[in-house]
Amino acid sequence: AQSVTQLGSHVSVSEGALVLLRCNYSSSVPPYLFWYVQYPNQGLQLLLKYTTGATLVKGINGFEAEFKKSETSFHLTKPSAHMSDAAEYFCAVSDPQAGTALIFGKGTTLSVSS
Amino acid sequence: GAVVSQHPSRVICKSGTSVKIECRSLDFQATTMFWYRQFPKKSLMLMATSNEGSKATYEQGVEKDKFLINHASLTLSTLTVTSAHPEDSSFYICSASPARGRGDTEAFFGQGTRLTVV
Repeated sequence: AQSVTQLGSHVSVSEGALVLLRCNYSSSVPPYLFWYVQYPNQGLQLLLKYTTGATLVKGINGFEAEFKKSETSFHLTKPSAHMSDAAEYFCAVSDPQAGTALIFGKGTTLSVSS
Repeated sequence: GAVVSQHPSRVICKSGTSVKIECRSLDFQATTMFWYRQFPKKSLMLMATSNEGSKATYEQGVEKDKFLINHASLTLSTLTVTSAHPEDSSFYICSASPARGRGDTEAFFGQGTRLTVV
């Protein structure tokens, strides 16, 4: 079985500050890991994903995440927040042997203040 | 990236009626499609997996007679909420995967459907 825990349901930062959204996972097999962003009443947009290979993954809009197997973590970071980054962020895990069904964390709401 | 279109984006229906939501893959063939439900301020919950030409596989606790899924072609899956009740009000999102089986790395999401049952 797989599960995802996102620490902090709400994160607030100032514009220009570092963004850090935390994600820990549990998986009995080497997982695929994803970060998605969701704007109100919209679907999900993929920010980045880890499958195999390099553990530091760069995504769109300046986001990156690092897969740390020893810590079972996949935290999302961005050096400098923009107002447009305010949204809901979801970490998700999938089992590579079971296709692309995703198990999502509960989400983290990112607020950015000027 | 691949495009998945979901229709309608919003629907309001009366209690007791049925509502159909469509999920189409516009530029690829989707052998597998997934339906998720999202409650307010909550995460997305996988409801079911549908494979083209076969019966959908429902997650535990999801009523298959209430949430009918049809994946009749490689580009279209439908979710029908039968005899809708206010507690069925939610945001429903589909995703589609161009490949079947192991090693798939990504599914593409539709825009979601906001269902309100009054």
